[in-house]
Amino acid sequence: GAGVSQSPSNKVTEKGKDVELRCDPISGHTALYWYRQSLGQGLEFLIYFQGNSAPDKSGLPSDRFSAERTGGSVSTLTIQRTQQEDSAVYLCASRGAWGANVLTFGAGSRLTVL
Amino acid sequence: AQSVTQLGSHVSVSEGALVLLRCNYSSSVPPYLFWYVQYPNQGLQLLLKYTSAATLVKGINGFEAEFKKSETSFHLTKPSAHMSDAAEYFCAVSPRGATGANNLFFGTGTRLTVIP
Repeated sequence: GAGVSQSPSNKVTEKGKDVELRCDPISGHTALYWYRQSLGQGLEFLIYFQGNSAPDKSGLPSDRFSAERTGGSVSTLTIQRTQQEDSAVYLCASRGAWGANVLTFGAGSRLTVL
Repeated sequence: AQSVTQLGSHVSVSEGALVLLRCNYSSSVPPYLFWYVQYPNQGLQLLLKYTSAATLVKGINGFEAEFKKSETSFHLTKPSAHMSDAAEYFCAVSPRGATGANNLFFGTGTRLTVIP
């Protein structure tokens, strides 16, 4: 697509429920990133994909968080047994093979855990 | 280790006044440097980047930033603020030649308010 597409744009869930957030990167972009942006905080790196593999998962906050990417395209970030502290905006970005690490971001998925 | 510091989480300026948002980085060699802007309820948008050409970089919407190696700074400026400039601004640094994961480090952001 023309840009990075994320869905849902807003998600309200109850504590303890599982949620899935989807990211559709720019066509042909090989690298895909997930960041978390909490109120008043900067961007917290979560995970990075090169193709379908995730060489760096060091940013995932706990084992309740997981992500996958299939076909070198769409990625899904899954949060199991959500907690209130998971409430944040989850941003996805993609990067092509060139461009000095310039990332193109999606509009984000706002997650609210009640 | 790479890091970036943005001084001032909130900056307020009057419409028409100079905008100055500060960013300092720590790196053993000059990295790539970026400014991103985030308008309300939107994702981050690249404002400008420094990769190694001219030290004064011009970006969109009249913004520019100057790379100063001696000061390890990459401050963002605009001569005259417009109401539409109200947004959150993020400075980011990336090591040169880096590949792989987690190679873009963001500052904590500066929220710019423009007063009519």
